[in-house]
Amino acid sequence: DVKVTQSSRYLVKRTGEKVFLECVQDMDHENMFWYRQDPGLGLRLIYFSYDVKMKEKGDIPEGYSVSREKKERFSLILESASTNQTSMYLCASSVMSNSPLHFGNGTRLTVT
Amino acid sequence: QKEVEQDPGPLSVPEGAIVSLNCTYSNSAFQYFMWYRQYSRKGPELLMYTYSSGNKEDGRFTAQVDKSSKYISLFIRDSQPSDSATYLCLLQGAQKLVFGQGTRLTINP
Repeated sequence: DVKVTQSSRYLVKRTGEKVFLECVQDMDHENMFWYRQDPGLGLRLIYFSYDVKMKEKGDIPEGYSVSREKKERFSLILESASTNQTSMYLCASSVMSNSPLHFGNGTRLTVT
Repeated sequence: QKEVEQDPGPLSVPEGAIVSLNCTYSNSAFQYFMWYRQYSRKGPELLMYTYSSGNKEDGRFTAQVDKSSKYISLFIRDSQPSDSATYLCLLQGAQKLVFGQGTRLTINP
């Protein structure tokens, strides 16, 4: 079974802090994704990566950056956290294009 | 118009009922279709994956795809309280990947 692990289930950070969300997958998948999920807005793609050191902007990249230095690890960075970034963050991976995504259990981030 | 439309519900049915969840889409480039189940405070879990028109069955779940009508469905037979969750469709094709909004389902004992 594919395992996608997000380092924290719950995080509370202050406005202006730099926040790192970590995601690791154990199946040598090429593609990795970061989504945020908010009530009434569904899943929105922040960034994705098709290979090591490659990144592509999704639908809502503003205020975020990513890093993929190793194939198994994809990090989401909030450069200066703001209250409107309070959300559920979901990491996913897939073996190739058009393959199913496999999700982690999410990180519930609260910015106060 | 959204590329993928999914009724957000909520949908509430009695235990044992047959449940039908649906997504419609407008872009014929979508060729790969997935259904996910998401329990509260958890990540989405893959239920069904299909890429051809017709039906695919797995236990109590059946995924149906009608590419000519641009319509996909997930049927749940003999529904159980443990099926209470949000169900999301995911459509992929031609470098696009689009989720439906999700349907919140409650099965009442």
